[in-house]
Order: sequence, then C-alpha cells, then structure tokens
Amino acid sequence: DVKVTQSSRYLVKRTGEKVFLECVQDMDHENMFWYRQDPGLGLRLIYFSYDVKMKEKGDIPEGYSVSREKKERFSLILESASTNQTSMYLCASSPPRGGGAVHEQYFGPGTRLTVT
Amino acid sequence: KNEVEQSPQNLTAQEGEFITINCSYSVGISALHWLQQHPGGGIVSLFMLSSGKKKHGRLIATINIQEKHSSLHITASHPRDSAVYICAVMSGGSEKLVFGKGTKLTVNP
Repeated sequence: DVKVTQSSRYLVKRTGEKVFLECVQDMDHENMFWYRQDPGLGLRLIYFSYDVKMKEKGDIPEGYSVSREKKERFSLILESASTNQTSMYLCASSPPRGGGAVHEQYFGPGTRLTVT
Repeated sequence: KNEVEQSPQNLTAQEGEFITINCSYSVGISALHWLQQHPGGGIVSLFMLSSGKKKHGRLIATINIQEKHSSLHITASHPRDSAVYICAVMSGGSEKLVFGKGTKLTVNP
C-alpha cells in the first residue's frame, strides 16, 4: 500500500512565523503535489514537483515556496505566515505518466494550519 | 467559469436511496477521477476512468466523453457513505488534476 504521511495533523502558528510542512511518500513516486483546501473553493494546487530539485508553480504559489532534496520528501514553506494562509494543506504523490498510462494520486491525511 | 462543475453541492438522502452525483467539465481530458473525503480525513481515490463505466461494490462511475459529463452512483446508500465526493480531471498531457468543488453527501439512518 502506498503511504503518504504529513508531519502534523494540526498546527497553530503566529503571523510572521516561518512554517515548514513536511510530506513523505514511500512508493518512490516521481510526482509530488501540495494543495490547499478551503470551504467553497475546493482543492487548489500550490506547487508540483516532478523530480528531485524540480518544481513547477501551481495556481496559487504566492507566499509559498517548496523544497525537494530527496525523492521521498516534499516540503512546503510559508516564508512569513499570514492569517489568510489558515487552511487545510494536503500533499499527494503519483507515478509519472508513461506510455499513455495515467495514474491516480495518493493523498496524505492533511495538516490543518491555523495562523493567528 | 470553473473547468469542472459538480452538482449538487449538497445532498441529503435516507438510508437505502439511490444517489447520483454529476460532474461536467469543459476541457479535453485524458482521465477523470472520483475521490472521497470523510470529515477530518484524507482523500481516497474511488475511480479513475477515461471511457465507459466502472463498478466497485455499491459504487458505479460512468463517463460520456462526447458530452464531457460523468456521474457517480451509489446504490443502497448507507450512513457510512456520508462524505464529500470530489470530481477531478486530468487534461491532455498534464500531470496535474483540476478539481470540482465537491458534493457533500449526508445519508441519514
């Protein structure tokens, strides 16, 4: 079974703090994703990584950065947390498309971040 | 306009009822996913389909590529089916998913 784990289920931080959210997957997947989920807006892609040290901005990258130094680990960084970054953050991983095959994404349990 | 539209947004049913959740999309796709999210929980993939119909237990997913429409059906619904159901599409050669806003299903005993 694919396992995607996230470092915290709940996190409370103060405005202006630097916040690290960690995601680890154990299936040697090339692709990893960070999403945020807000009521009425659904899931939105923050950043995508398709290999170690490779990243691509998603739909809402402002205020966030990412790091992927090892294949199994993808970190989301809030450089200076703000109250509008209070949200549920979900990580996912998937194998790359190959030979026309499409694969499902495997999601972590989520981190509910509150910025006060 | 969102690329992926789901209806209804909220759905309340009595145990045993047949449930249908709809998803329409506006782009060419390579695959469509149905996902399930329980309260406070992570997201699990129910189906991934690019044509026709798939069945797993009491759940059935269909897709009509020409009409750009998919449906998720739940037969003999049960309170444990209460969750948010999310439709997501993967377009063209992209690795990324575009998500609908979800349908919150509540099944009462």
